[in-house]
Amino acid sequence: DSGVTQTPKHLITATGQRVTLRCSPRSGDLSVYWYQQSLDQGLQFLIQYYNGEERAKGNILERFSAQQFPDLHSELNLSSLELGDSALYFCASSAGYNTEAFFGQGTRLTVV
Amino acid sequence: GIQVEQSPPDLILQEGANSTLRCNFSDSVNNLQWFHQNPWGQLINLFYIPSGTKQNGRLSATTVATERYSLLYISSSQTTDSGVYFCAVGQAGTALIFGKGTTLSVSS
Repeated sequence: DSGVTQTPKHLITATGQRVTLRCSPRSGDLSVYWYQQSLDQGLQFLIQYYNGEERAKGNILERFSAQQFPDLHSELNLSSLELGDSALYFCASSAGYNTEAFFGQGTRLTVV
Repeated sequence: GIQVEQSPPDLILQEGANSTLRCNFSDSVNNLQWFHQNPWGQLINLFYIPSGTKQNGRLSATTVATERYSLLYISSSQTTDSGVYFCAVGQAGTALIFGKGTTLSVSS
């Protein structure tokens, strides 16, 4: 158990819908990262938060947004879902910058 | 941005064999991690190794930062070692960037 908790584990939804994925980081970790893993794109970095502030953006679509709350949990919001958004979404956390990152079990999103 | 290349892309072994997985990266890094993704999709931390050598049981890793590569050694492989092995690197203040992985299949 990495200590990073993601909910839900599985999600099936229809095209055009909006979903929210939740992540609780390891106790004491200030950095939260979101990644998308799809068959054709591999593991892609989406966005990073550090102590509530957005720190870095990767290949995140405009239809996607995220935030980190004062209790340090984070949510990734995916809207206007398309079939191509079907993927495994991971959250990771680390104590700070360039320290060891630990990944949650992922949320498997299926858009039908 | 930084490029991460892993080789070989696929590896098939008999139980008990040894293997070496390689990770090349295109620029200096502050963070390098090896992960094992098991058949259930979980990403399991193997090593945090921006430089130097570490060992954990049958697994060991070496990173030569000045030459921009890292190696993961698996000895006496077992069927439970099957899965995808990822190398991921980070530069100062950046998130981890992943290679495409090495898919390992160990048969009994």
